[in-house]
Formats: sequence, structure tokens, C-alpha cells
Amino acid sequence: GAGVSQSPSNKVTEKGKDVELRCDPISGHTALYWYRQSLGQGLEFLIYFQGNSAPDKSGLPSDRFSAERTGGSVSTLTIQRTQQEDSAVYLCASSNKGGANVLTFGAGSRLTVL
Amino acid sequence: EDQVTQSPEALRLQEGESSSLNCSYTVSGLRGLFWYRQDPGKGPEFLFTLYSAGEEKEKERLKATLTKKESFLHITAPKPEDSATYLCAVQAPSGGSYIPTFGRGTSLIVHP
Repeated sequence: GAGVSQSPSNKVTEKGKDVELRCDPISGHTALYWYRQSLGQGLEFLIYFQGNSAPDKSGLPSDRFSAERTGGSVSTLTIQRTQQEDSAVYLCASSNKGGANVLTFGAGSRLTVL
Repeated sequence: EDQVTQSPEALRLQEGESSSLNCSYTVSGLRGLFWYRQDPGKGPEFLFTLYSAGEEKEKERLKATLTKKESFLHITAPKPEDSATYLCAVQAPSGGSYIPTFGRGTSLIVHP
């Protein structure tokens, strides 16, 4: 596609429910990143994919968070048993390779946990 | 301790009033320093990459510079449409990967 696509753009859920956030990167981009942005905070790294592998998942805040990538393309970030502190904008970015390269971001998925 | 620190957190300028944003970093083996612009409700958009001390890049009213410890984003004669949050990110080797580490950003408002 022309850009990085994320869905849903907005998600309101109740505490304890599971949510899935989807990222469709630029076609051909092998590297994919998930970040979280809370109000007044910088971008917090969550997980990095190279192809379908996740060589760095050190940023996942707890075992309630998981992510997968299939076919070297679409990625899904899953948050189980959501908590209010999970409320944030979840940003996905892709680049055409690893190393020091420019990231192209999606518009983000805003998650609100009531 | 933050590896990337941006200052100021917020900056208000009058149209035409030039200023600079600062990004200081403490990583070793810098592979690249990146500046992004983020508008409300959108993802960050790439502006510049700097790779080595002394390097400079320009685009319209923006100029980015890099030293061994910090980068500056100079804004000359800003216009209201330059209002946005400006994010700095560094990439350096860490455990075999190069995860971009972002600062908290500088929120710029340019008044007409």
C-alpha cells in the first residue's frame, strides 16, 4: 500500500476485555515496529519484527501483551485483560530494512480502557 | 536515565521569530539521529537523518545540525503551519538490533 495502515483508529473497551490492534505495513518493508505513546510521554518501544521473527520484544510491558506477524506483512498486537493504564495511542511503523533507517508511521490506534 | 532528552518541552513563538530545539543523547556508537514532525492525531513524519558530527541538513525553514552529544533543529522565520510536536530519535546498536529510541518531543506553537 501507499502507507502504513492501522486499525481500528479508535477503540474503547472495558477493563478486563481483550483487544487486537492491526498494522498493515508498506509493501516490501521487512522491518516492523510497535510503539506506545501516552499523553505527555515519548514513544515507548514495544516490539520489533524482522520478517516474521521478533528479535527484540524487550519493550512489551507485561505478559498480557503479545504480537505476531504473518507472511512478512500484517502484524497484530494483542492486549489481554486490558487495564486502565493500557490506555494510549499504539503506533506501528515499518522500514525497508533494519539498521539506521527511516521509519514510516501509521496514524495510530487510540485505545481507551474504561 | 533517558538516553534522549529534548528541550524545551514546549515552545511558543511569534510568526517570524526564529529559535532552536535541542536534542541531547548519551548512546554509544550512534548510527543515526532522526528528526520527525508529529501533528495532532497523526503518526510522526520523517524530516531529517544525520549520521556524523558536523553534518547539517536543510528543508525549507528547518535546519538540523549534529555534534557528538546533541542535535539542534533550527527554525528560521517560522509560520503557524510549523506548529507541531518535533521528535528526535537515535539509533545505536543494542543487543544486536538498532531500535530507534525517541525523546519526549518539543511541542511548538507559532502564533500569527
